[in-house]
Amino acid sequence: QQPVQSPQAVILREGEDAVINCSSSKALYSVHWYRQKHGEAPVFLMILLKGGEQKGHEKISASFNEKKQQSSLYLTASQLSYSGTYFCGTKDSGGGADGLTFGKGTHLIIQP
Amino acid sequence: KAGVTQTPRYLIKTRGQQVTLSCSPISGHRSVSWYQQTPGQGLQFLFEYFSETQRNKGNFPGRFSGRQFSNSRSEMNVSTLELGDSALYLCASSLVAGDDEQFFGPGTRLTVL
Repeated sequence: QQPVQSPQAVILREGEDAVINCSSSKALYSVHWYRQKHGEAPVFLMILLKGGEQKGHEKISASFNEKKQQSSLYLTASQLSYSGTYFCGTKDSGGGADGLTFGKGTHLIIQP
Repeated sequence: KAGVTQTPRYLIKTRGQQVTLSCSPISGHRSVSWYQQTPGQGLQFLFEYFSETQRNKGNFPGRFSGRQFSNSRSEMNVSTLELGDSALYLCASSLVAGDDEQFFGPGTRLTVL
């Protein structure tokens, strides 16, 4: 089942903070975050695994609440380069044996 | 290090035809996944291959198939094309299968007329 992302879109001024949420109705094994700029391929940001392990870029911050089946991506002191569509992809508990199910994305616009 | 390459980049076909898309992963990567991206449905998982074996498959009809070669290059095939198959098809590679960073290629834009 497709995870639900919120908000659907957000407009920020450069330097402001944003939180993007990803929720699932099913127990999750892992949450993957990607950013896609218009006309480009998605780029990896972070993976959060059940049990607390994280893989990702140092400048990206995210959380994974296993009990609530929710993950949040934190963008602090936003820069113009942060603009794009953010996707969360999830794998159900039992992990590894299924592909990523992506949410519909959150459109982020950073204005100078 | 060269990134993921996909060929062709653009393709126009008519209904009923079949198409084969190709993906060359980053050198050393053994896992290749395929996704379909459309404005309405977003990013949808098609299948994942690892060491020439299909590891898992998304919820797509049997007209969609794929394979992986011993050099990790992968192809996907869509037979009996329908208008709804028009989409951007993205290939992504990773070192290992499962929960690993995926590197996406630029995609193949397929238009079915």
